[in-house]
Parts: sequence; structure tokens; C-alpha cells
Amino acid sequence: DQQVKQNSPSLSVQEGRISILNCDYTNSMFDYFLWYKKYPAEGPTFLISISSIKDKNEDGRFTVFLNKSAKHLSLHIVPSQPGDSAVYFCAASQGPNAGGTSYGKLTFGQGTILTVHP
Amino acid sequence: KAGVTQTPRYLIKTRGQQVTLSCSPISGHRSVSWYQQTPGQGLQFLFEYFSETQRNKGNFPGRFSGRQFSNSRSEMNVSTLELGDSALYLCASSFRASGTEAFFGQGTRLTVV
Repeated sequence: DQQVKQNSPSLSVQEGRISILNCDYTNSMFDYFLWYKKYPAEGPTFLISISSIKDKNEDGRFTVFLNKSAKHLSLHIVPSQPGDSAVYFCAASQGPNAGGTSYGKLTFGQGTILTVHP
Repeated sequence: KAGVTQTPRYLIKTRGQQVTLSCSPISGHRSVSWYQQTPGQGLQFLFEYFSETQRNKGNFPGRFSGRQFSNSRSEMNVSTLELGDSALYLCASSFRASGTEAFFGQGTRLTVV
């Protein structure tokens, strides 16, 4: 039962253009969402997060959009750079105020390989 | 500020042996979580510790265990290793109590032969 899904295994984008990575979730208890970037044989690097009380959060070139009714979130990278090439994971949790079986638990999607061509 | 430190980075063990992995969280972070990453299953939650107490556990067999010390450092142990335990084991630390921004270490690559 995959509660967080990234349906595109890979995405190829030209340098300077926009990269849009998508993520869908099924568990309505999720109310905090995160994006991570990962290089092979390294740990994920936190990029940006969003709480369910918001529908948009920006940090520099990265913007995350959340559509709660559709249970969908997306990460926009503008402009894309070759150094952005990596695997991107979205993750979800029940947020800082949930307890019990939510403690410390992030549920990850399967990842999307982003390649930005010069 | 130092990041999350995991040791060792690489490990080769024989089936049936046991292994202990170590994680030092970011200073001030009291929540430590462990994840297993494999090509087939992706990133899977193992367990979480806060103030030396395990508060949450993922769907893994009892061969996987862990502990946290008073300085927030954590160890995880896998006993009776199986070939399928070969994976990248990741530790993450958080300042807040649960499921928000978690900062990961570089991981320990365990190979079971």
C-alpha cells in the first residue's frame, strides 16, 4: 500500500527552464509534506516543506504547491540548473502535533530522477 | 553546526552475523529516526527515538533493534543478518518531536554476503 506516489520515475529538462515534480498521496491524515534531494550513496538533503494550512511555500528557486482536495503536491524549480540533477523524493507525515504512530515517521515516495541538460 | 554523522560508511558482513550502526545527531536535536533504503522498497521507516525512548517502530522484524543514549546518540543493531538486509541505512535527526523537517546523515552501506 503506497501512500505516497511519485508517478514519474524520471524527468529531463533544459537548463534555465522550469522543472515540475509531482507527488500524490492517499492518506488524509498527512498534513505536513517535504521534498528531499538525493545523490547516490548519500543521505537525502532537505529542500523545502509545507504544512497543510498553506497551499504554497517558496524558498529561492524552489516552490512547493499543495492541493489538499486533490491530495497532490508539486515542486517547481525555476530556473533549473545542471547541479539540480539528482533524485527527488517527496515525503509526508502527520505533522508535529500528531503523536503515537506518527512519531518521527516520514512516508516517502519512490523518487523522481531529474536530469537538467546544459 | 555539524550535521548528522553516521559510522561506519561501509560495512561488509556475512549472513548470520550481527551488526551495529552508529548515529550522532545534530547538536540540540533529540529525535533520531532510522530508515532503510533498498532499490525495491525505497525509503522505509525503521524506528524513532526521543529522550532514550523508542516511540515508534516501522514494520520490520524483531531482528532490527535500536537504542538512544542520554547524549541523543543512537545505535541500531541487526542480528542474524540475511542477504536481504543489504541496504543503505540512514539516520535522521529532528529538533521537533515528530514528523517534520528531518536532517539525514550520509548513511551506512551494509552489504551482507
